[in-house]
Amino acid sequence: DAGVIQSPRHEVTEMGQEVTLRCKPISGHDYLFWYRQTMMRGLELLIYFNNNVPIDDSGMPEDRFSAKMPNASFSTLKIQPSEPRDSAVYFCASSLGGQGSEKLFFGSGTQLSVL
Amino acid sequence: QKEVEQNSGPLSVPEGAIASLNCTYSDRGSQSFFWYRQYSGKSPELIMFIYSNGDKEDGRFTAQLNKASQYVSLLIRDSQPSDSATYLCAVNEWGGSQGNLIFGKGTKLSVKP
Repeated sequence: DAGVIQSPRHEVTEMGQEVTLRCKPISGHDYLFWYRQTMMRGLELLIYFNNNVPIDDSGMPEDRFSAKMPNASFSTLKIQPSEPRDSAVYFCASSLGGQGSEKLFFGSGTQLSVL
Repeated sequence: QKEVEQNSGPLSVPEGAIASLNCTYSDRGSQSFFWYRQYSGKSPELIMFIYSNGDKEDGRFTAQLNKASQYVSLLIRDSQPSDSATYLCAVNEWGGSQGNLIFGKGTKLSVKP
């Protein structure tokens, strides 16, 4: 398996623009997570899905952020409109779930810069 | 608010020494504990996990858990320059949001040749 695949690797955009980040989890994994990492706040959970259903989105900063998982092999995280404070590395991760198998496998991340 | 605390470092050790990384957590209901390693510019990768009190060894790595003290640690024996990275402690409360890991901000380890 190729692992968790994220795109794009880097995104530079201007304030107010829409940004869409994409993720393909490992085949067979039931859980998909979106994390954001900054120096100040570390790695923060934004939202996670179980079997394509959003379970906990309490980490989503505000209404500008939305996430979807239309099928088991694809998820998107959208920011509209983007702001400079959204600049961070966004990681997607997947796992099998269940105690003993809830280990996360991370994608390579998307480095987002909002100017 | 569930919290996972780590000393940010940097922790500097000479090559061949034992590196000791520590982590405390606030939620007594936590059941699963993980150590991730993150090289600069890369994504986190799992290196150890532990569920029961005591020690768990895997090669040069030993994870130690003390639930009474809400404390988990990672020992790296015979440290190598390739171990230089940021080490993230993560905690999962089972029975709540399954698979929801809370991460510490990480400890940066530097192993000097």
